[in-house]
Amino acid sequence: ILNVEQSPQSLHVQEGDSTNFTCSFPSSNFYALHWYRWETAKSPEALFVMTLNGDEKKKGRISATLNTKEGYSYLYIKGSQPEDSATYLCASLGARVNYGQNFVFGPGTRLSVLP
Amino acid sequence: GAGVSQSPSNKVTEKGKDVELRCDPISGHTALYWYRQSLGQGLEFLIYFQGNSAPDKSGLPSDRFSAERTGGSVSTLTIQRTQQEDSAVYLCASSFRTEETDTQYFGPGTRLTVL
Repeated sequence: ILNVEQSPQSLHVQEGDSTNFTCSFPSSNFYALHWYRWETAKSPEALFVMTLNGDEKKKGRISATLNTKEGYSYLYIKGSQPEDSATYLCASLGARVNYGQNFVFGPGTRLSVLP
Repeated sequence: GAGVSQSPSNKVTEKGKDVELRCDPISGHTALYWYRQSLGQGLEFLIYFQGNSAPDKSGLPSDRFSAERTGGSVSTLTIQRTQQEDSAVYLCASSFRTEETDTQYFGPGTRLTVL
């Protein structure tokens, strides 16, 4: 079973600050890395899917990078806004032998942006 | 177009009772997943359906849990003889699986409280 970790567990920043957090995953048996944003009282929403080492994806003020050789991904938020407050989840998808056990979510990073 | 819907949104039940949770995936999505999030924990995979293939039940925590997907669309997660540790938010997601991405679209969840 894959073990996906995220750090920090929670983060408080001031509006306008830039921030980043980490997702680490086993580099062996890697297939894809997903990032989701989960706002309170809403459904998790897909942000990025990355598959290639060195991938960098960007969506507005949010971007993500991927290092499959060392098994980590960074999520960056530039100029944080209160509406960015959410839990950010990453999920690692391994090779498709036993799908369920190979798609594992991390525990999430809870971001609070203070106005 | 409609997203993933789940019902009920909240369910309070007494220990020992059976409960059924319903998920309506996005039309045309071939894959359907059930997860749960217990307090303070990450998303825990429960079961995965893909087309007409046998479901991947590897995440179901006990034989009190079962799920069906009828006609390749609606799914029902059944928990028999509920226990207090079953209290969690149960999330359903669907995707149109491709070889490159399994971006999942989540429903709003059902919050189950077992008294």
